Amino acid sequence: QLQLQESGPGLVKPSETLSLTCTVSGGSISSNDYYWGCIRQPPGKGLEWIGNIYNSGAAYYNPSLKSRVTMSVDMSKKQFSLNLRSVTAADTAVYYCASGPGSVWFYSYGMDVWGQGTTVTVSS
Amino acid sequence: QSALTQPPSASGSPGQSVTISCTGTSSDVGAYNYVSWYQQHPGKAPKLMIYEVTKRPSGVPDRFSGSKSGNTASLTVSGLQAEDEADYYCTSYAGSNNLVFGGGTKLTVL
Repeated sequence: QLQLQESGPGLVKPSETLSLTCTVSGGSISSNDYYWGCIRQPPGKGLEWIGNIYNSGAAYYNPSLKSRVTMSVDMSKKQFSLNLRSVTAADTAVYYCASGPGSVWFYSYGMDVWGQGTTVTVSS
Repeated sequence: QSALTQPPSASGSPGQSVTISCTGTSSDVGAYNYVSWYQQHPGKAPKLMIYEVTKRPSGVPDRFSGSKSGNTASLTVSGLQAEDEADYYCTSYAGSNNLVFGGGTKLTVL
C-alpha cells in the first residue's frame, strides 16, 4: 500500500528556507490516484494545514502561509516537496506528508495516508 | 482565519459514549458538509476517522460516528475502549480552497 517518508533538514536558521521532501512508495505517484499534502504540528500544539497539490500542478495553500509556501511534485523521483521561505521560530514543528484520493477535492475525503513526520527546528 | 473551537478535553469510562464538539462559523462548518475528524495517538501520525461529516473510511469501527447541526459538528465514540484514548482533531472546508483545523481534544478513557 502507499507509504510516505519525510526527509527534512532538522535545523534551519531564521530567515532561511525550509525544504521538506516526501518520498512515495507502494503506489504510482504519476497516476491521478492521489493528491499530496503537507501538515505541521508545533510542539505541544494542534495540527495546521499547510497545503495540497495534485499531479496536474494545481496547488492550494493555507492563506496565512501562502506568501511563503511553494509545493511541487517530481514524478521522476517519486517525490513531492514543500519549500517554506523566511522561516522564524514560529515555524518550528513536526512536519507531515500526507495523501488522499486524487479523484476528489482534497477537502472532501481528507488525507488517509500519512508519513511518520519529521521535526524541524528553526534556530540560529 | 480562525481555528475551529474544540473542548480541550473529554472523558468517559469504558463502554460509555462520549461526544466531542467542533464549533465553527457559517463560513466553514455551517456552510459545507466537508467536516473530517482525525485521531492522533501520542507520537504518531493522525488517522482519518470521519469524512464528509458522517462517513467512515474503510476499516474505521462503526463505534465512531459524526454529525452536524448548524455551525457545530460532533464526533461520537460509542462503547469506549482503552485504545480510543487519543487526541481528536476536526477540520472543515472554509471556502476558496481553504482548510481549517480545530485546536484538538484530548480524550481520556477513565
